[in-house]
Amino acid sequence: GQQVMQIPQYQHVQEGEDFTTYCNSSTTLSNIQWYKQRPGGHPVFLIQLVKSGEVKKQKRLTFQFGEAKKNSSLHITATQTTDVGTYFCAAYTGTASKLTFGTGTRLQVTL
Amino acid sequence: NAGVTQTPKFRILKIGQSMTLQCTQDMNHNYMYWYRQDPGMGLKLIYYSVGAGITDKGEVPNGYNVSRSTTEDFPLRLELAAPSQTSVYFCASSYTGDYGYTFGSGTRLTVV
Repeated sequence: GQQVMQIPQYQHVQEGEDFTTYCNSSTTLSNIQWYKQRPGGHPVFLIQLVKSGEVKKQKRLTFQFGEAKKNSSLHITATQTTDVGTYFCAAYTGTASKLTFGTGTRLQVTL
Repeated sequence: NAGVTQTPKFRILKIGQSMTLQCTQDMNHNYMYWYRQDPGMGLKLIYYSVGAGITDKGEVPNGYNVSRSTTEDFPLRLELAAPSQTSVYFCASSYTGDYGYTFGSGTRLTVV
């Protein structure tokens, strides 16, 4: 089945540094979603990207969908300790209405 | 609105026991899903439903069963618990199949 790979698996930054996670697929995606999961918590929907080359911003978070719709990125500017968690991308598999989640990137932020 | 409610939050089962994980949503969402998340790993789809009376298998359905008799409820049944089913189980729902999911807070299950 379709796989969605994320890199890196883990990143440790100091507060104030930037952070980027990448999501890659071998096939063209109809759209892509991003979720955040705090330690011990549940995934929370952040955003959905649909159009080729689309860029969306939420405060310090910038989401981008690649021109070929095979990759996506999430960039956090000036990280804060509240950004700690695992960030997942997710994409739809085939024609069925079910998301396949990426492997996730765990972000650790220290002072 | 409560969103997606899962019960219980924690459970310890002995090998071979059975249990039902409850999931209910009050958002009138047609689409509902069950995922499992092993420690430090991503989410794997167990079963999903696109409406009352309709269910389908996901990536890892073996050892589980579901039913969807109402729009609100989507229980997950474990018939013969095995240690490999130790995991955190998340229920989720969405308005349509291509909309963001709302997740419940999860059920942490340990099989010993």
